[in-house]
Amino acid sequence: DAGVTQSPTHLIKTRGQQVTLRCSPKSGHDTVSWYQQALGQGPQFIFQYYEEEERQRGNFPDRFSGHQYPNYSSELNVNALLLGDSALYLCASSLPFFRDSSYEQYFGPGTRLTVT
Amino acid sequence: DAKTTQPNSMESNEEEPVHLPCNHSTISGTDYIHWYRQLPSQGPEYVIHGLTSNVNNRMASLAIAEDRKSSTLILHRATLRDAAVYYCILITGANSKLTFGKGITLSVRP
Repeated sequence: DAGVTQSPTHLIKTRGQQVTLRCSPKSGHDTVSWYQQALGQGPQFIFQYYEEEERQRGNFPDRFSGHQYPNYSSELNVNALLLGDSALYLCASSLPFFRDSSYEQYFGPGTRLTVT
Repeated sequence: DAKTTQPNSMESNEEEPVHLPCNHSTISGTDYIHWYRQLPSQGPEYVIHGLTSNVNNRMASLAIAEDRKSSTLILHRATLRDAAVYYCILITGANSKLTFGKGITLSVRP
């Protein structure tokens, strides 16, 4: 089992551009959550996808959007990039809380996004 | 979201027990207490969780106060690999996102 995989590993973009980050969940997991982690801070929840729908959303602007495919993989899209979007973007997969109260989320290694 | 409060940092000696405290005075009856840790240059990883009773697993033990307003993560014999940021998080079924605070940075001395 490869666990949670994310691509790309690193990415450099220019302010105003758009970016797409990808995530493949751990085998057997159908829920995907995305987090943003700035340097020296804890991860901040962006949103969660289950059954191809956004189920919960954190305090992030509409420039952040996502998608989940029938195979449970997911994408995070960020439009009109700002310098402040530079961060580590983490994807986590799990079973939904109502099916597993341990709610053990498996995190990928992250994508390091740098906006210049 | 119910809040948790943790010290900024703690130090421990290798092979000694470590007790990492967490206060959650506004916890509700349906909140589960979860602990995650993040090793340097890695994504967070699940450590343990509990609701009311103390819990043990291969990684750690979780001691929950009787009034549930605080909990303690116990590493029975710290190793250098346990040096990480440890996050205490409250989760309910209705709002199952993980809300990370700053966590507690654990340093382990050889």
